[in-house]
Amino acid sequence: QVTLKESGPVLVKPTETLTLTCTVSGFSLSNARMGVSWIRQPPGKALEWLAHIFSNDEKSYSTSLKSRLTISKDTSKSQVVLTMTNMDPVDTATYYCARYSFGVVNTFDYWGQGTLVTVSS
Amino acid sequence: EIVMTQSPATLSVSPGERATLSCRASQSVSSNLAWYQQKPGQAPRLLIYGASTRATGIPARFSGSGSGTEFTLTISSLQSEDFAVYYCQQYNNWRFTFGPGTKVDIK
Repeated sequence: QVTLKESGPVLVKPTETLTLTCTVSGFSLSNARMGVSWIRQPPGKALEWLAHIFSNDEKSYSTSLKSRLTISKDTSKSQVVLTMTNMDPVDTATYYCARYSFGVVNTFDYWGQGTLVTVSS
Repeated sequence: EIVMTQSPATLSVSPGERATLSCRASQSVSSNLAWYQQKPGQAPRLLIYGASTRATGIPARFSGSGSGTEFTLTISSLQSEDFAVYYCQQYNNWRFTFGPGTKVDIK
């Protein structure tokens, strides 16, 4: 079955760089019908899309956060990595990765459980 | 960037009643609109895609409608497990955006 699992630090200091890993199973990151996005949710607030990577390695980023984000993938490890530089307390959130399925659903059909990242000194 | 708005922010409904949630896009997204349900401590769950198609396993009491800039999610008869926050999301271009959510709580 399809699963996604986020991993990374639970606590980062202001100005540090955050690196999160999404490990997927049940589908291949080389499948042209699949992509993976990162989405975050501050406590008690709405969802915010951050970045997306396609099977052909093309990328798309949130306009407001583009300068701080890098998304990449390692198909052999079934992993998608997000880095976010210059972390600030307002970046405290649960970070989700989600699979984007092309062709029929054409949106996020599977999500990871999320990982809470707190930014504090 | 396409901005999504949702109304109302909170909807208080009695079990068994009908709930109607609205979502508006700042520009046309055609039918590239999805609805998600999120319960406390859980990841969002896809309910509706293509504005009106139920995702796998979603009960028939959930229905979506609309196109362009105006969309509606209707829950025909609210069950106890339906009390949650609902988000709309556009995927008309490759910069996805979500609405602020509508919380459906018990009246």
